[in-house]
Amino acid sequence: DAKTTQPNSMESNEEEPVHLPCNHSTISGTDYIHWYRQLPSQGPEYVIHGLTSNVNNRMASLAIAEDRKSSTLILHRATLRDAAVYYCILRIAGGTSYGKLTFGQGTILTVHP
Amino acid sequence: DGGITQSPKYLFRKEGQNVTLSCEQNLNHDAMYWYRQDPGQGLRLIYYSQIVNDFQKGDIAEGYSVSREKKESFPLTVTSAQKNPTAFYLCASTDSPVPSNQPQHFGDGTRLSIL
Repeated sequence: DAKTTQPNSMESNEEEPVHLPCNHSTISGTDYIHWYRQLPSQGPEYVIHGLTSNVNNRMASLAIAEDRKSSTLILHRATLRDAAVYYCILRIAGGTSYGKLTFGQGTILTVHP
Repeated sequence: DGGITQSPKYLFRKEGQNVTLSCEQNLNHDAMYWYRQDPGQGLRLIYYSQIVNDFQKGDIAEGYSVSREKKESFPLTVTSAQKNPTAFYLCASTDSPVPSNQPQHFGDGTRLSIL
């Protein structure tokens, strides 16, 4: 999987929006952008994914730059339960990567009451 | 609700002992995975299985073994050959045997420590 770069940590206040950036300058045309998050002592949880267009679901929104070299995960109103490590991952559509996820260091999000 | 169940949540291993971590899913998924996570690190793939009775080594398979006799079950054995087994072990599954943009579903993990 191609490499992604994320800030080590970010902070937010409760009920404010959070924008988590991810750079992926070596992305190829068939790489999907996936986001997962992991709470302490739990398994990762799928958040959202996209290819070219912006995506919305009940958890978050994903804004993808026009050149696809960067993306931003948007949590519209942060809650204390959103405090977690957020991982941005690129996945090849098909191919021989046998579906494994390559996790980097991720961004530690702290949410203040 | 469908999901992945890992047991036990905590496991202790004595020197020279083999231990088996359980992973069961009721999502009817074909593909299953085992990952290892060390403190402050991302996940690394140990073994994966795309279909029943088939499995392949991942990036760090040495000292581990698996079986896939049933679609819903993918147990991982940590053998005595694994010299540094202390870690957080995560099982995952996904719908398609050749996953593309399918999300992976994870269990809540087993934390293995050495006595």
